[in-house]
Amino acid sequence: GAGVSQTPSNKVTEKGKYVELRCDPISGHTALYWYRQSLGQGPEFLIYFQGTGAADDSGLPNDRFFAVRPEGSVSTLKIQRTERGDSAVYLCASSMGTGVGEQFFGPGTRLTVL
Amino acid sequence: RKEVEQDPGPFNVPEGATVAFNCTYSNSASQSFFWYRQDCRKEPKLLMSVYSSGNEDGRFTAQLNRASQYISLLIRDSKLSDSATYLCVVHSGNTGKLIFGQGTTLQVKP
Repeated sequence: GAGVSQTPSNKVTEKGKYVELRCDPISGHTALYWYRQSLGQGPEFLIYFQGTGAADDSGLPNDRFFAVRPEGSVSTLKIQRTERGDSAVYLCASSMGTGVGEQFFGPGTRLTVL
Repeated sequence: RKEVEQDPGPFNVPEGATVAFNCTYSNSASQSFFWYRQDCRKEPKLLMSVYSSGNEDGRFTAQLNRASQYISLLIRDSKLSDSATYLCVVHSGNTGKLIFGQGTTLQVKP
């Protein structure tokens, strides 16, 4: 079956611009996660959704970052007033149920802020 | 101090070698532990879960020492295809949030 998909695969933007990154999880997966991975580092947790609600947004670095999942499936990560330090690969993952279970990652969106 | 610490390497080993990676975690309340594999410019994929009793999957053996807050991965008879970054991962709490180490890079050479 289809895995987690993310669009766009690459996004280049200018400092100060607004960007939206989309994640389409595996069908039937109720849990959805966003992570950010900088070069040479492991993924860093940003936010976790269970259904439509953000169950844990403790990893969002500041109020420029916001994510939604209005119908409990597709999620959008939104970044306002982008900064060069936001450049990274943004990974989305999904899993069945809650708590501990294998998380399936999408291929990521590589964001470059010039 | 990072919650999950790994030696980034790289570990350069010949085919057929045995190689071991170690990882330490700081949160004693951590509940579940994993090794993920990440190929260059690809997404992480679950390699195996780690249990206190130890678990083995073919050439791969993972071990957890809760008292020392230490996790290990042993790869026997290394193959060229084992070349990748191995991420030590810890799950804490009840939200599914995973904490990743920096990753250890393995390069298996012919």
